[in-house]
Amino acid sequence: DVKVTQSSRYLVKRTGEKVFLECVQDMDHENMFWYRQDPGLGLRLIYFSYDVKMKEKGDIPEGYSVSREKKERFSLILESASTNQTSMYLCASSKGRGSLNTEAFFGQGTRLTVV
Amino acid sequence: AQKVTQAQTEISVVEKEDVTLDCVYETRDTTYYLFWYKQPPSGELVFLIRRNSFDEQNEISGRYSWNFQKSTSSFNFTITASQVVDSAVYFCALDRLSNFGNEKLTFGTGTRLTIIP
Repeated sequence: DVKVTQSSRYLVKRTGEKVFLECVQDMDHENMFWYRQDPGLGLRLIYFSYDVKMKEKGDIPEGYSVSREKKERFSLILESASTNQTSMYLCASSKGRGSLNTEAFFGQGTRLTVV
Repeated sequence: AQKVTQAQTEISVVEKEDVTLDCVYETRDTTYYLFWYKQPPSGELVFLIRRNSFDEQNEISGRYSWNFQKSTSSFNFTITASQVVDSAVYFCALDRLSNFGNEKLTFGTGTRLTIIP
């Protein structure tokens, strides 16, 4: 059974803290993504990665960074958390090169609250 | 720029009724892919269907069916004889043609469907 696992379901952090959201997939997928989900706005892409050590900015990268040191793991970093980063964060993965627009598999989400 | 519009924010129907979720998209690409995902209360999005822009045939999978009309840029989703387990948020998404697996999926804002027992 394919799996994308996010390290936390719920997280509460203080303003100014550095926050790490971890995501691991066991499908040997090349592509990994971080989305943010807010009511009325749907899912918006923060960053994505086509390969280890590769990263590309999505639509809303400001205030975030990512790290992909291993193929199976993609980390989202909030350098200095702010209250407007309170949201649901979704990680996804998909097959990469040679696969034509395959479906993405999603984790269960991390609901982050910044106080 | 790509855009997906799901005008229905919330829909409630009584169990066993049929329901259609609308999706309208905008793109300048001639080749693209459309998707539907389901997000149950557990949170993770579940893939339902993928359709490329050259394939306008409607598709049926059990109680689910999809109507793709390029002329109106719509990709609507119908659930027949709805069940309580169909209660979820449904997202329509658009992707450019890519041989890297995905480009950047553009999602609609979602439709929350509630099936009343």
